[in-house]
Amino acid sequence: NAGVTQTPKFQVLKTGQSMTLQCAQDMNHNSMYWYRQDPGMGLRLIYYSASEGTTDKGEVPNGYNVSRLNKREFSLRLESAAPSQTSVYFCASTITVADTQYFGPGTRLTVL
Amino acid sequence: AQKVTQAQTEISVVEKEDVTLDCVYETRDTTYYLFWYKQPPSGELVFLIRRNSFDEQNEISGRYSWNFQKSTSSFNFTITASQVVDSAVYFCALSEAQIQGAQKLVFGQGTRLTINP
Repeated sequence: NAGVTQTPKFQVLKTGQSMTLQCAQDMNHNSMYWYRQDPGMGLRLIYYSASEGTTDKGEVPNGYNVSRLNKREFSLRLESAAPSQTSVYFCASTITVADTQYFGPGTRLTVL
Repeated sequence: AQKVTQAQTEISVVEKEDVTLDCVYETRDTTYYLFWYKQPPSGELVFLIRRNSFDEQNEISGRYSWNFQKSTSSFNFTITASQVVDSAVYFCALSEAQIQGAQKLVFGQGTRLTINP
């Protein structure tokens, strides 16, 4: 079991460029999540997917889109990157609402 | 709305000292879940413990212990006989029960713990 995997590990973009962060889990979890972590602010929820075929906004969704491609995969897209989106992005998954969220290793994104 | 406050931004102690990390939460729900995660310098998030709101028993796991008190809305974490490997950022998080949705975690700002040899 690889758990939750994320690609890429690091990325540098110029303002206005687009990119997609990939996340996959092999634990047969129903729900998946995207968070961003900024210094001194803890993690904040960007988008989540309660189950395959559904997605919903979290606390900070502006500037992002997501796709729940299938039960395993949940991608996060930045259409036009801005310096304010420089952050570490974590994907997580959980099997039920009462269970524990397991996190991927993170993607460190810098937007110049 | 849910809120988690970790008032201690940074703590620095000498190895073998005991240290307590504070966590205070706010929620209007009667059913909720509390978590602690550890983020070592390598950056990954490591799950430490989950507690539901109906289980106020304290828990001990080796050198780690957790004190959950609903009366004060606190879920504090103590490391006994700290070691250098305990140096990390520790996050407390809260999730309200979601019947047909997903589990939405709200994190505290984190406490950076440094254990000096």
